[in-house]
Amino acid sequence: QQQVKQSPQSLIVQKGGISIINCAYENTAFDYFPWYQQFPGKGPALLIAIRPDVSEKKEGRFTISFNKSAKQFSLHIMDSQPGDSATYFCAASSRYGGSQGNLIFGKGTKLSVKP
Amino acid sequence: NAGVTQTPKFHILKIGQSMTLQCTQDMNHNYMYWYRQDPGMGLKLIYYSVGAGITDKGEVPNGYNVSRSTTEDFPLRLELAAPSQTSVYFCASSYSQTSGLYNEQFFGPGTRLTVL
Repeated sequence: QQQVKQSPQSLIVQKGGISIINCAYENTAFDYFPWYQQFPGKGPALLIAIRPDVSEKKEGRFTISFNKSAKQFSLHIMDSQPGDSATYFCAASSRYGGSQGNLIFGKGTKLSVKP
Repeated sequence: NAGVTQTPKFHILKIGQSMTLQCTQDMNHNYMYWYRQDPGMGLKLIYYSVGAGITDKGEVPNGYNVSRSTTEDFPLRLELAAPSQTSVYFCASSYSQTSGLYNEQFFGPGTRLTVL
């Protein structure tokens, strides 16, 4: 049972545009929502993360928007650049630790930013 | 700091053979993880460890074994390899799991394994 649903599977954006990737979760015990960025041939790396006590977190051109009632969160990349071309994974984990404390990843979104 | 290192980078295995994927971290992290990544399927947790001597199954443990004799090393063993185990394997580590500020997972560069 997939617990984190990510869309779209792929995304093409023009340079300077806004990239938006959405994720939805089912488990209300989730309380940590990171986004990981992965370049071809590399391991994923943490990009930005949010906890449900805030509705938005911004770091440079990257923003997470969080809607607790809808159980959804999204990544917005402003002024998208060709260097942002990568695969992005949303994830979630629970405060209860143990097996529930492990990250559950979405299936990923391949972003291509055209110059 | 080298971070998380994995060996080998690539490997071709014949059906029925066994091998061990190596993973080492030099950040003194308690938590270590093994994931497999298949195209369009995200990252699936195979096994994880919360400290030396303690391991537990993740979402897809069948066909794999792990051990954690030291804080630094977390090898993944494939027994009787099958074509379904063709994948990219990532090892990761973190200081903590869910609490505190230090639950970022640091990933290694991956091992691309093909079973023929």
